[in-house]
Amino acid sequence: AQSVTQLDSQVPVFEEAPVELRCNYSSSVSVYLFWYVQYPNQGLQLLLKYLSGSTLVKGINGFEAEFNKSQTSFHLRKPSVHISDTAEYFCAVSEVGGTSYGKLTFGQGTILTVHP
Amino acid sequence: EAGVAQSPRYKIIEKRQSVAFWCNPISGHATLYWYQQILGQGPKLLIQFQNNGVVDDSQLPKDRFSAERLKGVDSTLKIQPAKLEDSAVYLCASTLGQGLNSPLHFGNGTRLTVT
Repeated sequence: AQSVTQLDSQVPVFEEAPVELRCNYSSSVSVYLFWYVQYPNQGLQLLLKYLSGSTLVKGINGFEAEFNKSQTSFHLRKPSVHISDTAEYFCAVSEVGGTSYGKLTFGQGTILTVHP
Repeated sequence: EAGVAQSPRYKIIEKRQSVAFWCNPISGHATLYWYQQILGQGPKLLIQFQNNGVVDDSQLPKDRFSAERLKGVDSTLKIQPAKLEDSAVYLCASTLGQGLNSPLHFGNGTRLTVT
């Protein structure tokens, strides 16, 4: 079984500042890693995913994440945030070789609030 | 392409009543999921369908929850009777297949409040 821990429930930042949202996971098998964003009253949208290869993954809206196998982490970063980045962000994993990589285990979410 | 459609958007019921949610996945998407998102938590998978067959319902509370996907297209999720702890957003998601190149598409969810 897998589990995901997002270390910060809320992250307030000022516009144009850098941000890092932290995610650690636990699994007895290899996993795929994802970050999703959820805007108010909307469904989840995929920001980026790590399946294999380069450990630095670039996603949409200027976000990137780095997979660190030794630390079992997959932190999300953006060098300069905008007001429009205000949303809730979810880290998720799925099991390599499982019945479906759409079968996700999510973290608790991090609310990113960007202040002007 | 049209996204995953869910209805209703909001539902308020009293405990012990029954409720049903409807999901229409993206056309051609064979795999459909229902997730439950309780306030302050990440979504939790309830059930996975492949066409009209259940692949995984291990986390579905079967004493009160049921789901079906007749004809392998639309799906309904039912709760009967509802409890206070069922208050949550119910998200439907679909993918074209099960492989790595089939991204997961989520609907906007149905927000259920049980009073």
